[in-house]
Amino acid sequence: AQTVTQSQPEMSVQEAETVTLSCTYDTSESDYYLFWYKQPPSRQMILVIRQEAYKQQNATENRFSVNFQKAAKSFSLKISDSQLGDAAMYFCAYRSTEYGNKLVFGAGTILRVKS
Amino acid sequence: NAGVTQTPKFQVLKTGQSMTLQCAQDMNHEYMSWYRQDPGMGLRLIHYSVGAGITDQGEVPNGYNVSRSTTEDFPLRLLSAAPSQTSVYFCASSSSSSGANVLTFGAGSRLTVL
Repeated sequence: AQTVTQSQPEMSVQEAETVTLSCTYDTSESDYYLFWYKQPPSRQMILVIRQEAYKQQNATENRFSVNFQKAAKSFSLKISDSQLGDAAMYFCAYRSTEYGNKLVFGAGTILRVKS
Repeated sequence: NAGVTQTPKFQVLKTGQSMTLQCAQDMNHEYMSWYRQDPGMGLRLIHYSVGAGITDQGEVPNGYNVSRSTTEDFPLRLLSAAPSQTSVYFCASSSSSSGANVLTFGAGSRLTVL
């Protein structure tokens, strides 16, 4: 079974600075998908970024980028120019390509942004 | 374009009571799923469905029942509520069961079992 580990329960960043959230995963599959979701206090789950394992190029969405290291099974999220609106819980998630395509989540990292 | 709609948003139950959490999507998605979110544990898969008439168990299925009689609806039934089922529940769907498809989440339902 696949597992996802987020080793940082909480992180803080100064407004306009850069922060990196860590995520590692364990799998025997060679093809899969990785995601970062943001959950603000409203509780809504919002997709931040998606990475396809067979693509070596790291995904980027505006101020959000990932460092995908397939051999190391690592998938970190970098947030540049942090804004107050980035404060939220961030979840790393793995989606299998096996039957059922289950989405497995890490425990989450709370990101606090200081003004 | 409602997306994924969950009802109710909040519910308080007594131990032993039964209830159904409703989930409806208007995007003609084949794949639907239920998760529960607990502090320090992220979201865990309860049950999922890859199409009408097809359901399967996820990581934590005990105490829950599902059915999928239509493409649009995927209700989650608590048969006899227990305090351990106090949690926030999310319904999520995607256009197919392909791993490439992004899940769309509902707004969540907070359930408290006394």
